[in-house]
Amino acid sequence: DAKTTQPTSMDCAEGRAANLPCNHSTISGNEYVYWYRQIHSQGPQYIIHGLKNNETNEMASLIITEDRKSSTLILPHATLRDTAVYYCIVLSYGQNFVFGPGTRLSVLP
Amino acid sequence: DTEVTQTPKHLVMGMTNKKSLKCEQHMGHRAMYWYKQKAKKPPELMFVYSYEKLSINESVPSRFSPECPNSSLLNLHLHALQPEDSALYLCASSQPSRDRLLYTFGSGTRLTVV
Repeated sequence: DAKTTQPTSMDCAEGRAANLPCNHSTISGNEYVYWYRQIHSQGPQYIIHGLKNNETNEMASLIITEDRKSSTLILPHATLRDTAVYYCIVLSYGQNFVFGPGTRLSVLP
Repeated sequence: DTEVTQTPKHLVMGMTNKKSLKCEQHMGHRAMYWYKQKAKKPPELMFVYSYEKLSINESVPSRFSPECPNSSLLNLHLHALQPEDSALYLCASSQPSRDRLLYTFGSGTRLTVV
């Protein structure tokens, strides 16, 4: 069973920041939070991951709450090409990816 | 090479046919996976190979038969499929470490069973 809950869908205006929340209230100390996205009919693509600290890379930022029970993926300037399903996944070494339903993000012109 | 390559991209097969899906990676990853994805649903894990040995079979029907000939190749042999097996079949690979469990996915094979 997936260990995360995410909104089913979200809209975002092009050029604005997209903030995608994820709840993982049962996360354990050695589990990381991973974000992947899947653009229509393609394979899932890695975005970012983190354990406790906030993380940033060229694609996005990841904000993890202090109690680690939730996180937010931020796409700072969303473009039409960011329209995709975004998956938040929690797992640790030795576990396999189990996808939840994800959030369908639509970036609107 | 940082890709997982899947062939063919599209496949149409009859219910009595035998076909195979192929997956290849040259990143030195020692774990490889098959996922099945129905329309508007998340990918579902089917099989896991670790160091060329089958480690997980998620109760997949025997009409799906995986094979890992070497550390770079993963096949999925298909026989006597049903129309409900039509889906996107995704392959992935990973080289796990304790702080970085990154999966690389292929673009998938879209299978239609007629």
